[in-house]
Amino acid sequence: GEKVEQHESTLSVREGDSAVINCTYTDTASSYFPWYKQEAGKSLHFVIDIRSNVDRKQSQRLIVLLDKKAKRFSLHITATQPEDSAIYFCAASVTGGSNAKLTFGKGTKLSVKS
Amino acid sequence: EAAVTQSPRNKVTVTGGNVTLSCRQTNSHNYMYWYRQDTGHGLRLIHYSYGAGNLQIGDVPDGYKATRTTQEDFFLLLELASPSQTSLYFCASKGLGENYAEQFFGPGTRLTVL
Repeated sequence: GEKVEQHESTLSVREGDSAVINCTYTDTASSYFPWYKQEAGKSLHFVIDIRSNVDRKQSQRLIVLLDKKAKRFSLHITATQPEDSAIYFCAASVTGGSNAKLTFGKGTKLSVKS
Repeated sequence: EAAVTQSPRNKVTVTGGNVTLSCRQTNSHNYMYWYRQDTGHGLRLIHYSYGAGNLQIGDVPDGYKATRTTQEDFFLLLELASPSQTSLYFCASKGLGENYAEQFFGPGTRLTVL
């Protein structure tokens, strides 16, 4: 089955700098790649996703890049703020039909220091 | 916005005990999921369902049963709880179709098996 590796287990940046979290996946059939955020002591919520028909997507300060050849995708958070501090999970899925199963990475704990 | 609730929020049981975790979603989503979150392992899928009466096996199903009784309700059953099942459990739901890819997570249930 699909395996998703999240390369940074922890990441520390200064407020205002950019943060980059990298993930790789194994299944070439995967075509949907979401990111979820978990603030301390809270549940997860969706932040951004990308599908395999594009290689870049931006939502405000969040940018997701996808390199299908390398089976790699990344989350870039620009102009980081203290409220960006959280655990970020990447995930991968094969879309279509009833296959709605996500495989998550182990998470990256991002600390934004002011 | 999707509403996913879980009960209980905290549970302590003993080895060999019988535990049922409950999840309810009120957005008429087809898909429901049970995950466990453990430090060093991230989020792992236990079971999921795409409708009442349906059950799909996840990635870490051993020791767990699940039942989807209605569109709204999904239960996770631990019939002989073991200390290795001490974890934070999340339920999630998702709509049907590629345009409804986001999973909505409940607040979590912290289970301790002594």
